[in-house]
Parts: sequence; structure tokens; C-alpha cells
Amino acid sequence: SQTIHQWPATLVQPVGSPLSLECTVEGTSNPNLYWYRQAAGRGLQLLFYSVGIGQISSEVPQNLSASRPQDRQFILSSKKLLLSDSGFYLCAWTPGRAYLNTEAFFGQGTRLTVV
Amino acid sequence: EDKVVQSPLSLVVHEGDTVTLNCSYEVTNFRSLLWYKQEKKAPTFLFMLTSSGIEKKSGRLSSILDKKELFSILNITATQTGDSAVYLCAVEGHTISNFGNEKLTFGTGTRLTIIP
Repeated sequence: SQTIHQWPATLVQPVGSPLSLECTVEGTSNPNLYWYRQAAGRGLQLLFYSVGIGQISSEVPQNLSASRPQDRQFILSSKKLLLSDSGFYLCAWTPGRAYLNTEAFFGQGTRLTVV
Repeated sequence: EDKVVQSPLSLVVHEGDTVTLNCSYEVTNFRSLLWYKQEKKAPTFLFMLTSSGIEKKSGRLSSILDKKELFSILNITATQTGDSAVYLCAVEGHTISNFGNEKLTFGTGTRLTIIP
């Protein structure tokens, strides 16, 4: 069966420090991978999505970046965190192009607090 | 730009009441509409709707899609305290890009609180 792992679960980082959040998927190949951010009381904002290794689409301009070094690994990074980067970050995957109309599967999320 | 609007933003009702949550959307090349329930961390999947007028049902929850008017509703009957959560609506659209693939756009969610 497929599983998705996201870590760490919580993170407190000072302003200006770097960030690296990792997400890995098991039990499937060629998944579409997503990074979402959820600010308090808000819905999920799509930050990045990827349909393959090295293929990243950025949805919003910001000081975050994403990379996909392996088929089932998706990394969210920042060189210098801002206070406004605080939020709940969710990684998700959907089956790749061979599949139609499927739900998204989510990791357990990372609560990031920038202080 | 794809857009999903949910209403109301928050709703407080008493246990046993029936609630209706709304989701309207604008999306390029619509593929499907999904409802999720989010209690603490990861959203959990409720329904996927692709065709107009066909009700999906799971216990006390049901949902229907209107592709002509571009909206969906989620109904919960005989609400219980365990139904308290944020309900998220998401729309999957087929992007015309170098990648030519799908992405999910979420609404802001409806925070539902059930009072015992």
C-alpha cells in the first residue's frame, strides 16, 4: 500500500535561518507531488507541484523553493526564513498521468513557527 | 487563475441539526471536485465528484455537483460533535503547461462547530 512520510512534525526556527522540509512517498512510482501551506484559519494554498524528477512548478512568488531529486522525494527549502513563512505545511501526492480523477493523499504536516 | 470559494467561512450549530456547506469554483479544464475533512492535521478524503446531478452519499454525509452553475454542496444530517472540523473543497483542473498535468486548488474551508 502507498504511504507518505513528512518530517519534521513541528519546527521552530529563527528569522533568517534556512529551512528544509522533506516528504517521501512509498508504494507508488511517478507520483505528482505537491507542497501546500495553510495559514491559521485559512484553506490550503498551493506552493509547488511536480510531475517528475527536476520538474517543479511554482504557484506563488516567495522566498521558498522546492526540489525533487528523486522520483518519490519532494523537498521544500528556504535560504532565509521570514516571519510570514510561519504556517502549517502539507505535502501531498496524486497518482501520475496514467490515472484519472483520483484523490490527493496527504502527509501529517509540519507546523513551522518562525520567531 | 483557478479559484475556489467556500461559504460560510464558519458555522456553529447544535447537535442534531442539518448543515449545508457550499463550494463554488472557476477552473480551467475541470476534472473533478473533492471534499475533505480536516480535524487536526492531514485532511481526510470524503468525496470526489465528476458528474453533475449524481449524489454521493456516505452515512450522514452527502454531496452533489452542478457543473453548469459551477458549485457543489456538502450536506451533513443529524450532526454530531465528531463532525466538528474544517471542511475543505478542492477542484482539480487540467493545466495547459509544459507539463500538461493536473493540480488541486483548495478553498479557504468552512469551520464547522457542533455544540452538544
